[in-house]
Amino acid sequence: GAGVSQSPSNKVTEKGKDVELRCDPISGHTALYWYRQRLGQGLEFLIYFQGNSAPDKSGLPSDRFSAERTGESVSTLTIQRTQQEDSAVYLCASSLWHREGNQPQHFGDGTRLSIL
Amino acid sequence: QQQVKQSPQSLIVQKGGISIINCAYENTAFDYFPWYQQFPGKGPALLIAIRPDVSEKKEGRFTISFNKSAKQFSLHIMDSQPGDSATYFCAVKGGSQGNLIFGKGTKLSVKP
Repeated sequence: GAGVSQSPSNKVTEKGKDVELRCDPISGHTALYWYRQRLGQGLEFLIYFQGNSAPDKSGLPSDRFSAERTGESVSTLTIQRTQQEDSAVYLCASSLWHREGNQPQHFGDGTRLSIL
Repeated sequence: QQQVKQSPQSLIVQKGGISIINCAYENTAFDYFPWYQQFPGKGPALLIAIRPDVSEKKEGRFTISFNKSAKQFSLHIMDSQPGDSATYFCAVKGGSQGNLIFGKGTKLSVKP
């Protein structure tokens, strides 16, 4: 079976442009997470979706960041008016419903975003 | 405030040796402690995880040791191999939160 798929794998854009990053979770996984990983750093939580519940947006660093999820499938992370500090790898993970025990989070290989 | 402190930042071990990476946390509400392995250009992959009701969990060459009273847990890699060279992250999760909180990572190099 397919794992978590992210696209594009690499994105280079100019400062001030908007970007959209896509995540296809593992089929049947109701929970979906976005994390950011700056060069040589750990992962920072951005946003979490669980089923039809309101998403946990507590990790979003500014109002330039937003994310949507269609049902229990594809999610897109949008960064508006990109800044150089947004350069990072954006990782998506999915898991089975987490409140039934701590289900493993499975990660995609990320989108490497570079802001010129 | 850093909720998970991981050490060392980098580690060099000879082939066949034992690699030990440590993590410390503050919040006693955490109840899930996974370790992830990440190779360059790839996403993190779950290696092994432990719940606080046990003090040790072993899977092949990988062991987690957990000290609840000290709020510390560690990853031991026995008989380290060059293929183990990667960055390792500890993480914590618990209470009402859905996301993992990660340490800053340890870059392990195993020399042949």
